[in-house]
Amino acid sequence: LAKTTQPISMDSYEGQEVNITCSHNNIATNDYITWYQQFPSQGPRFIIQGYKTKVTNEVASLFIPADRKSSTLSLPRVSLSDTAVYYCLVGLNDYKLSFGAGTTVTVRA
Amino acid sequence: DAGVIQSPRHEVTEMGQEVTLRCKPISGHNSLFWYRQTMMRGLELLIYFNNNVPIDDSGMPEDRFSAKMPNASFSTLKIQPSEPRDSAVYFCASSSRDDNEQFFGPGTRLTVL
Repeated sequence: LAKTTQPISMDSYEGQEVNITCSHNNIATNDYITWYQQFPSQGPRFIIQGYKTKVTNEVASLFIPADRKSSTLSLPRVSLSDTAVYYCLVGLNDYKLSFGAGTTVTVRA
Repeated sequence: DAGVIQSPRHEVTEMGQEVTLRCKPISGHNSLFWYRQTMMRGLELLIYFNNNVPIDDSGMPEDRFSAKMPNASFSTLKIQPSEPRDSAVYFCASSSRDDNEQFFGPGTRLTVL
């Protein structure tokens, strides 16, 4: 499994864009990059997945540079309800997800 | 769909007692996972079933832990005997092989006194 490194925590304010960068220097050719979100007292929830370039859905965007050694999750115009832990995972459609410590994002009014 | 269902949501027991956690995966999903989450160790995969068969139980901490999946709609995680260090939130998740997204249940918060 490719090891990932992401910031422990980030603070933001309502309405701002939050960008969380994840490093995965030893990503394998067939690995996908997946992000999960976890609210307090809930299980993690899938946000977005990508392989290269840019992926966008109704919740977030995922930017992946050509070398794929890092990726950035972008949350546009966050609200208080976006306060959560965000996990970056790298793997090949594989059941063995390694969640790591994640990034705790705190959105303030 | 109701999503992944877990019971109980909270369990408080005394050291040495047997604990059984239950999970009902999303209908049609053929993969089921049990995770444990603590502040110290984060979210750890305990065991993975595919088509009701245990594929990987390397994450099960020791012989006190056992898991079964008698059919496609039900799984149990049993701890016997329980110890205070087993206190954690236990999550069950399921997925379809056609889509690697895992859907997590609400978790069972276990406290062993």
